[in-house]
Amino acid sequence: RKEVEQDPGPFNVPEGATVAFNCTYSNSASQSFFWYRQDCRKEPKLLMSVYSSGNEDGRFTAQLNRASQYISLLIRDSKLSDSATYLCVVKLNNAGNMLTFGGGTRLMVKP
Amino acid sequence: EPEVTQTPSHQVTQMGQEVILRCVPISNHLYFYWYRQILGQKVEFLVSFYNNEISEKSEIFDDQFSVERPDGSNFTLKIRSTKLEDSAMYFCASSRGLAGVKFFGPGTRLTVL
Repeated sequence: RKEVEQDPGPFNVPEGATVAFNCTYSNSASQSFFWYRQDCRKEPKLLMSVYSSGNEDGRFTAQLNRASQYISLLIRDSKLSDSATYLCVVKLNNAGNMLTFGGGTRLMVKP
Repeated sequence: EPEVTQTPSHQVTQMGQEVILRCVPISNHLYFYWYRQILGQKVEFLVSFYNNEISEKSEIFDDQFSVERPDGSNFTLKIRSTKLEDSAMYFCASSRGLAGVKFFGPGTRLTVL
């Protein structure tokens, strides 16, 4: 079983649409959760951390369900500039502080 | 805004050659990392470094790999004898603290021929 699993997509949506991505993780000892965004051939950039209570940043809402080991990202009012690959990332609370990445979900927003 | 920088942006080398990838982390950060991403695959952890020593490494980080912080600003990844399968994008990252957000550099694309 993959440590962090995501639907690779692509999700093709029109501008203005609402789109949701899901992610599951296998290690129940995972402590911290993030969504990163990666543009083609670029570095991952932090989009938002994910908190147990759920959190929102503008058009982006992230949710965490520890019992189901499930993370989600909702993007409202999609913009062309949202086209990218969205990486679900988890971290164990260990000395090395390593991040475990999912394979990413590709989003293409079309006019 | 401070950022992580990496050089070179692209390195082409022959199989069996040694390469050194260079990174300048954000200046007040204390934790440093190398990740790699083979084309079309996920980002994978290689190694983390703190207080001048490796704090964790993955199975990928075998004896062919080493890291060093030769001075107060640079953080390097050396691959002693490159293999074809080492071809990938190598990302350096740094964070201020253990729980801190990791900032990634733009990456070095390594091509082994």
